[in-house]
Parts: sequence; C-alpha cells; structure tokens
Amino acid sequence: GQQVMQIPQYQHVQEGEDFTTYCNSSTTLSNIQWYKQRPGGHPVFLIQLVKSGEVKKQKRLTFQFGEAKKNSSLHITATQTTDVGTYFCAGTTSGTYKYIFGTGTRLKVLA
Amino acid sequence: ETGVTQTPRHLVMGMTNKKSLKCEQHLGHNAMYWYKQSAKKPLELMFVYNFKEQTENNSVPSRFSPECPNSSHLFLHLHTLQPEDSALYLCASSQVGLAGTDTQYFGPGTRLTVL
Repeated sequence: GQQVMQIPQYQHVQEGEDFTTYCNSSTTLSNIQWYKQRPGGHPVFLIQLVKSGEVKKQKRLTFQFGEAKKNSSLHITATQTTDVGTYFCAGTTSGTYKYIFGTGTRLKVLA
Repeated sequence: ETGVTQTPRHLVMGMTNKKSLKCEQHLGHNAMYWYKQSAKKPLELMFVYNFKEQTENNSVPSRFSPECPNSSHLFLHLHTLQPEDSALYLCASSQVGLAGTDTQYFGPGTRLTVL
C-alpha cells in the first residue's frame, strides 16, 4: 500500500539554527499537506501544496513540493523555541478522500 | 478552538467494557475521520465518512464500530478492546469537493487507556 516516510525521525537544534524535514511518498501524490502537532496537542494545518515544483513561504517556514510530486520538504530558518513539536506531511492521491500521514519529525529546540 | 470537539478527553476502560467516543464538528464540513495515534507510530486512518456514508474502512478490527448519524456528529463505539488499543484517538473533519479534499481540522483527541 501507499507509504509516506519522513526523515529525520528526531532533530535537536540550538535556537537560531535551521531545520529541514523531508517527506517521501511511494506513489505520486495529487497534493500534500503539512501539519504541526505541539506536545500534548493535536495536529494543526500549516499549508497545502498542489503543483509540481511549488514553493510556498510562511514567515520563517519554506515548503517545497517535488517536481515528480513524490516528495516534499519543510525548512525552518532560525528556529525558535515556539517551533518545538512534531511536523507531519500528509499526502493524497487523486480520486480519494483520504490522506496518508507521514511518520513525522519531532523537533526539539534548545535555548 | 478548531471547531471540532471530542468527548471524553480521557478514558480508562477494562477489556470487557463498552464505551463510545463522540466527535462533533461546527464547521459545516461534509467529511469526518477517525485516526489512531500511538506512540512511535504515524497517524493511522481508521474510518472516513463522506456525507454520512462510510467511504473508507482501513482494515480496522470489528471491536471498533463507527457511527455517523449526520454530517456533524461521529461516534466510535468500543467493545472488548485490547491493551494495545491504548492510544490517542483523533477526530477530524474537512470539506470534500470535486477537486478533492481540503484542509483537515482535528479535534483535541481522546486519550484512551485499556487495562
């Protein structure tokens, strides 16, 4: 079945350092979403990417969708302690109503 | 507040008990989802309801029984669960259209412990 893997599984960074998580799907996706889950919280939507090669920015966050629509990345510039949490990608294929979530990357930011 | 509420927030039950989880969305969405989140595992989709019709059952054991009486309410009925069913159960809703499904809004989850 369809699988969505994320690397790394864990990342510890010093505050101010950059952070990147990568998402790889076994199948071509129609679109991909990114979510953030704070410790003890629930996933909260960050962004959706639809087009091949698309790049979107939200302040210090940069999201990219691969040309083949099978991978994606989230890059955070100059991390802050508020960035702590687990970042999930979630992909869907055309014709379905369900998203397959990635394994998640847990980010810890050290002050 | 995301517009999706879940009750109870915490539940402890024995393996012979029967309990139900409730989810309600106030966003006017037409699709609702149940997910299971265990430690060290990705979010696992369990069930999807679109316009009250179940469109996905991700090989979930029959001890989990969903119910969707209308597009705003979703239940998960639990009976004879196993300790490995202990997890965070998340409900989500979204608007599904011809172009696919939009953002999913998650509820706070029910932390379930099976003794």
